Amino acid sequence: DTGVSQDPRHKITKRGQNVTFRCDPISEHNRLYWYRQTLGQGPEFLTYFQNEAQLEKSRLLSDRFSAERPKGSFSTLEIQRTEQGDSAMYLCASSTLTTGSGELFFGEGSRLTVL
Amino acid sequence: AQTVTQSQPEMSVQEAETVTLSCTYDTSESDYYLFWYKQPPSRQMILVIRQEAYKQQNATENRFSVNFQKAAKSFSLKISDSQLGDAAMYFCASLGVHKYIFGTGTRLKVLA
Repeated sequence: DTGVSQDPRHKITKRGQNVTFRCDPISEHNRLYWYRQTLGQGPEFLTYFQNEAQLEKSRLLSDRFSAERPKGSFSTLEIQRTEQGDSAMYLCASSTLTTGSGELFFGEGSRLTVL
Repeated sequence: AQTVTQSQPEMSVQEAETVTLSCTYDTSESDYYLFWYKQPPSRQMILVIRQEAYKQQNATENRFSVNFQKAAKSFSLKISDSQLGDAAMYFCASLGVHKYIFGTGTRLKVLA
């Protein structure tokens, strides 16, 4: 297993466009998280899946953001009508209940720049 | 609600010396985990060390150890024999039922 992978690694878009990010977690991991990180800040929780069920979504997240994990494997995060304030690194992470350790495994992130 | 606070935006340490990074947290959970993650420049975040709240013994991983003070809700990271490769952002995090909350991070500089 190669770990958590995210695609694309970099995305530059114009304000008002839609963007979609994909995350492929470690295969046996049933928990998947999306975080947003701006420069010099810690990861900010966006949403969380257990298998295909989205169990929590941050109240700070506007309705322009939507995430799916249709088959309990990969996940997508879509941002509609992007704004300059959406520019950030979007991190995906996965974990499993079975380890008992609670360790989160992170991908390398998808950096979004909105012009 | 879970909160994690890191009050040191930046720390410096001389190579081979010891440094302690501070973290305080708050949670309503009775069972939780605490973590320190390292994020090197332009690289992905990796786990440094974790602590189960029900364990009184402080976790250690080679040169990394924690000072877990449950009553004070304090969880500091000590790095001994600092190396140039330790330079990174360090994030303290807590895990309650299912959600990980991160602090704002401490940038560690290691001076040769």
